[in-house]
Amino acid sequence: AQTVTQSQPEMSVQEAETVTLSCTYDTSENNYYLFWYKQPPSRQMILVIRQEAYKQQNATENRFSVNFQKAAKSFSLKISDSQLGDTAMYFCAFMKPYGQNFVFGPGTRLSVLP
Amino acid sequence: ETGVTQTPRHLVMGMTNKKSLKCEQHLGHNAMYWYKQSAKKPLELMFVYSLEERVENNSVPSRFSPECPNSSHLFLHLHTLQPEDSALYLCASSQGWGDFLGAGELFFGEGSRLTVL
Repeated sequence: AQTVTQSQPEMSVQEAETVTLSCTYDTSENNYYLFWYKQPPSRQMILVIRQEAYKQQNATENRFSVNFQKAAKSFSLKISDSQLGDTAMYFCAFMKPYGQNFVFGPGTRLSVLP
Repeated sequence: ETGVTQTPRHLVMGMTNKKSLKCEQHLGHNAMYWYKQSAKKPLELMFVYSLEERVENNSVPSRFSPECPNSSHLFLHLHTLQPEDSALYLCASSQGWGDFLGAGELFFGEGSRLTVL
């Protein structure tokens, strides 16, 4: 069975600085998707970024980028120029092929400080 | 208006009550999900419906009963719950199920916060 680990329960960063959230996973699959989801306080969870395992190039979405290390089964999220609105729980998630069975990590609570 | 709407947002019920959670998606998606989110635990997938048929049931106790009358609506019927069932219940939808190339994004509702006394 797949597992997703996020070793940082809580993190904080000063506004405008850069922060990296860690995620590791365990799978025997060769093709899969990885995701970062964001859940702001009392708001719905939204997709931040996704990575296809067969793509070597790291995904980027504006201030958000990932460092995908397939051999190490590592998928970290870098947030550049942090903003107050980035304060949220961040969940790393894995999805195996042929079925939308997402496996989520326990989450990292990120606080952006003014 | 959000793409996935859940009602009620908050629910308090006794262990002998019967209540239902409702989810509606306005995105034209074919798959809908119920997740349970408890404090300090990963999201737990409860049920998945694809084209109104249940395709996943992750060993959820029978006191939780899902219903999907059409591709836009999903219900979670609750009866004789336990205090440990108190959690945030999230509904989500996605464009499809089982299509690897087209798969990916889950769209979530804001959740229904359930408290069982």
